[in-house]
Amino acid sequence: GGIITQTPKFLIGQEGQKLTLKCQQNFNHDTMYWYRQDSGKGLRLIYYSITENDLQKGDLSEGYDASREKKSSFSLTVTSAQKNEMAVFLCASSQGGASAETLYFGSGTRLTVL
Amino acid sequence: GDSVTQKQGQVTLSEDDFLFINCTYSTTTYPTLLWYVQYLGQGPQLLLKVTTANNKGISRGFEATYDKGTTSFHLQKASVQESDSAVYFCALVDRSNYQLIWGSGTKLIIKP
Repeated sequence: GGIITQTPKFLIGQEGQKLTLKCQQNFNHDTMYWYRQDSGKGLRLIYYSITENDLQKGDLSEGYDASREKKSSFSLTVTSAQKNEMAVFLCASSQGGASAETLYFGSGTRLTVL
Repeated sequence: GDSVTQKQGQVTLSEDDFLFINCTYSTTTYPTLLWYVQYLGQGPQLLLKVTTANNKGISRGFEATYDKGTTSFHLQKASVQESDSAVYFCALVDRSNYQLIWGSGTKLIIKP
């Protein structure tokens, strides 16, 4: 088995601040994802990466940057934190391709913007 | 484009009640349909998968059947337990890029 580790679990920032969320996986999966989950709502895709140094924008990429410098890690940067984006950010990985339907998620980073 | 709809935002049941969560989808291709479950404080995890090849998925006492005629993919369980309290998401695989299209989730509350 493997695990997805997200750090930090809780992130508190000031409005306008640049904030970085990190994700590590030891599944040796090709594809990694960042999703945003707002309270009581579904998952919205921010960025995904099908291999090292690849980045693909999701529906919610505006206001975010991502980086995949190693196969095992995928980071997300909130370029200028806003109060309306307080949410849980979920990282996931999958083998990709036809196996992309099985995503393995971390426990999330909860973002609070003051 | 492809889409998934979950209209029930919350379902409240007592232990041993029958569970039925509604999900409908829209796609122009052969669907692969999924149910994910998210327990409190965790990320979602795959519960079961249904394709046109098998038409039904069963896992951990849960069952989902795909109905092409009504484009529905409902989740059922005969007798829920308190440990089933969670948020349930249905999802559709977008075959253009193999990404998942997610429903908005249904929160299941089990009264003790």
